[in-house]
Amino acid sequence: DSGVTQTPKHLITATGQRVTLRCSPRSGDLSVYWYQQSLDQGLQFLIQYYNGEERAKGNILERFSAQQFPDLHSELNLSSLELGDSALYFCASSGPTSGGATRYEQYFGPGTRLTVT
Amino acid sequence: AQTVTQSQPEMSVQEAETVTLSCTYDTSENNYYLFWYKQPPSRQMILVIRQEAYKQQNATENRFSVNFQKAAKSFSLKISDSQLGDTAMYFCAFMKPYANQGGKLIFGQGTELSVKP
Repeated sequence: DSGVTQTPKHLITATGQRVTLRCSPRSGDLSVYWYQQSLDQGLQFLIQYYNGEERAKGNILERFSAQQFPDLHSELNLSSLELGDSALYFCASSGPTSGGATRYEQYFGPGTRLTVT
Repeated sequence: AQTVTQSQPEMSVQEAETVTLSCTYDTSENNYYLFWYKQPPSRQMILVIRQEAYKQQNATENRFSVNFQKAAKSFSLKISDSQLGDTAMYFCAFMKPYANQGGKLIFGQGTELSVKP
């Protein structure tokens, strides 16, 4: 168990709909990352938040958005869904140790499998 | 832009034997981190090992070790005494940290490893 939780585990929805994926990072981690894993694109970085602020953006579609809340959990919102958005969406977290030294390992949640029909 | 290449889509090894997975990357950065992640059939992403670019010593974690050749931009993973539970997809990943706030992972295409009894 990585300590990162994601809900829901599975999501089946129709084209044109909107869904929200939720992630809770490991205790003490300030950074949250979202990744998309699909057969044709592999593992792709979407976006990173650090302590509530957006820090980096990857190939994230304009139809997708994310935020990190004061309690550090994060949500990824996917709207106007298309068949091609079907994928496994991972959340990962990283952060400093209790001693303040920064560690860069990212620990992944179990993922949310999104199926768009 | 950084790229990560895993040239072996599939590999197999007999139980108890040793196998090496290859990874090369392209970057002009000097300070970066490299990781190997394992993704078993459960689809969970599990961190196997990490290497800081500024460290000359190769990282080791139990049966897993790396051969880090910075000048050649090569980062191979050696698995000794292979076990059936090592059967998984293995991903090599590159990360350039920024401002002690982490950084996005850039993944290779993966190598599917099968350990045979």
